[in-house]
Amino acid sequence: VQLVESGGGVVQPGKSLRLSCAASGFTFGDYGMHWVRQAPGKGLEWVAVIYYEGITKYYADSVRGRFTISRDASKNTLYLQMNNLRGEDTAVYYCARDSEDYDISGYPVRYCDHWGQGTLVTVSS
Amino acid sequence: YELTQPPSVSVSPGQTARITCSGDALPDQYAYWYQQKPGQAPVIIIYKDNERPSGIPERFSGSRSGTIVTLTIGGVQAEDEADYYCQSADSRSTHWVFGGGTKLTVL
Repeated sequence: VQLVESGGGVVQPGKSLRLSCAASGFTFGDYGMHWVRQAPGKGLEWVAVIYYEGITKYYADSVRGRFTISRDASKNTLYLQMNNLRGEDTAVYYCARDSEDYDISGYPVRYCDHWGQGTLVTVSS
Repeated sequence: YELTQPPSVSVSPGQTARITCSGDALPDQYAYWYQQKPGQAPVIIIYKDNERPSGIPERFSGSRSGTIVTLTIGGVQAEDEADYYCQSADSRSTHWVFGGGTKLTVL
């Protein structure tokens, strides 16, 4: 499994940026995918998830309405469109694969089982 | 929905380290633990409360009691010095959440 993020950089407040995550080494269409971010010197913050079918999406309250997660199965690529960026969005952004697992009772076992190395987004004027 | 961890834990080599994580929704969802070393991406070390992925040493274990889950590292080694994060989800699995992280210092 390999996940490689790209698209980070320095952007002014209020502007937009799109991150990409190229996936390989597994059947991309069988797994949900997450974006998780980490501000400098801070902890991990879950950002968004998109299920394997590409339809079901959930967002953290801090980004809902500004960020959009999407995927292109033909390109094995995950995206994060970030609009109206703020200083507090400055972080390393990781893409991560969802475990897509269930226990013996059918209860979801959902965690990030593989991570990329991250791409840094800096929002600054 | 929040998960609460102590900011730091310190132990001497060979001792046992315990890192707790508490959250009201924990009884309804499994808990997971990640290890993150400086400059690296997180790595899953415990899933489904107490299962270890292949390649994770046996000294790492997980347990739960009500609204508190605990990561235990028995016989701590210098290489275990890292940040540790618990993770779970809300009751409908629509929001994933991480604890604030615990910095483990090996004295």
